[in-house]
Amino acid sequence: DVKVTQSSRYLVKRTGEKVFLECVQDMDHENMFWYRQDPGLGLRLIYFSYDVKMKEKGDIPEGYSVSREKKERFSLILESASTNQTSMYLCASSYRGYSNQPQHFGDGTRLSIL
Amino acid sequence: RKEVEQDPGPFNVPEGATVAFNCTYSNSASQSFFWYRQDCRKEPKLLMSVYSSGNEDGRFTAQLNRASQYISLLIRDSKLSDSATYLCVVNRGSNTGKLIFGQGTTLQVKP
Repeated sequence: DVKVTQSSRYLVKRTGEKVFLECVQDMDHENMFWYRQDPGLGLRLIYFSYDVKMKEKGDIPEGYSVSREKKERFSLILESASTNQTSMYLCASSYRGYSNQPQHFGDGTRLSIL
Repeated sequence: RKEVEQDPGPFNVPEGATVAFNCTYSNSASQSFFWYRQDCRKEPKLLMSVYSSGNEDGRFTAQLNRASQYISLLIRDSKLSDSATYLCVVNRGSNTGKLIFGQGTTLQVKP
């Protein structure tokens, strides 16, 4: 079974803090993704990485950055947290090279910015 | 127009009923199609991939109509445990790993 592990299920931080969300997968997947999910807006792609040290902006990258130093780990960084970044954050991974590859998700991190 | 459109529902059905969900997508270059299931406050989980010829997995049947850019999911003999939100998912174009998620259709199965 694919295992995608996110470092925290719940996190509370303050406005202006630098926040790190970590994600690790154990299936040697090339692709890794960070999404946020908000009521009425569905899943929105923040950043995407298709290889170590490679990254690509998604639909809503503003206020976020990412790091992929090792194949199994993909970190999301909120440079200066703001209240509008309160959300459910989901990490996912998938194989690269074949078009019909589903993504597998971690449990999600519920982040509250006060 | 949204890239993936679904009727949000909710669909309220009795146990044992057959229910169908539909989804349309806008990118004719999309080649990968999936249905995911998401329970309240949980992560999306892959329910099934959707293949051109249609495919079945137990009580679940998925169909794809490329000409109309339309995907469907049929659930037969609904169980209480089928209550969830069902997400229609397509890839963003050929040979890309990025997926577009619909906002989901909510199903409530009642005793």
